[in-house]
Amino acid sequence: AQKVTQAQTEISVVEKEDVTLDCVYETRDTTYYLFWYKQPPSGELVFLIRRNSFDEQNEISGRYSWNFQKSTSSFNFTITASQVVDSAVYFCALSERYSGAGSYQLTFGKGTKLSVIP
Amino acid sequence: GAGVSQSPSNKVTEKGKDVELRCDPISGHTALYWYRQSLGQGLEFLIYFQGNSAPDKSGLPSDRFSAERTGGSVSTLTIQRTQQEDSAVYLCASSLDASPNSYEQYFGPGTRLTVT
Repeated sequence: AQKVTQAQTEISVVEKEDVTLDCVYETRDTTYYLFWYKQPPSGELVFLIRRNSFDEQNEISGRYSWNFQKSTSSFNFTITASQVVDSAVYFCALSERYSGAGSYQLTFGKGTKLSVIP
Repeated sequence: GAGVSQSPSNKVTEKGKDVELRCDPISGHTALYWYRQSLGQGLEFLIYFQGNSAPDKSGLPSDRFSAERTGGSVSTLTIQRTQQEDSAVYLCASSLDASPNSYEQYFGPGTRLTVT
C-alpha cells in the first residue's frame, strides 16, 4: 500500500524567510509519481509539480524548489524568500503506476499549513 | 478556459436525507475523480471515471455512496441516508486522461456538505 507522510502539521515563518516542507512516501512500486499541491484559503487545490520516480533531478521554479531523494523516499519542497501569498496548506501526493485500476488515484499526505507572517 | 466546477458550493442536510453533488469537468478531459476532504481523514480518494466507466470504486466508504457519469462529462456523486460522519468537503478533479505520468489533475472548488 502506498502512504505519504507530512510530519509538519503547521509551520509559521516571517516573511522573506526560507521554509522547507517535508514529504516522505512509501511505495512498493518502482514506477510512481509524486506531486505537490497548494490549497490557499479559497479552498481550490492548485497543482504545483509532478515528478516521476526515474527523474531524480531537483527542480527550481522561481522561488520554489523541490528535492527528490529516492534513497530516503523523500520529496521535499522549499520556498525561498517566503511571501504572505504563500500562506496555504500544502499537500504532497503519490500515485503508483502498476497497481491495477487504483493506479490513477492520488494518495495525499495530511498537509502542512504554512503561515507567512508579514 | 473554464475550470472544473462543482455545485452546490455548500449543502446543509438533515441526517437520513439523500444528497446529490455535481461536477462539471474541464471540457475534453476524459478522466474524472472524486475525493473527500475531512478534518480527521485528510484527502481521501473515492472513485474515478475514465469516460463513463468507473474501473475503481475501491474508495467509496459504504454502499450509501454511488456515482455516475454521463456523456463522458458531468458526474454526480450521490449519498443516500446521510450520516453526520459524511460531513466533509467533496472535491472533484479532472485530467486529460487517467495517466499520472502525463496529465495532472485539476481540482474544482469543492462542495461543503454538512449533515445535521
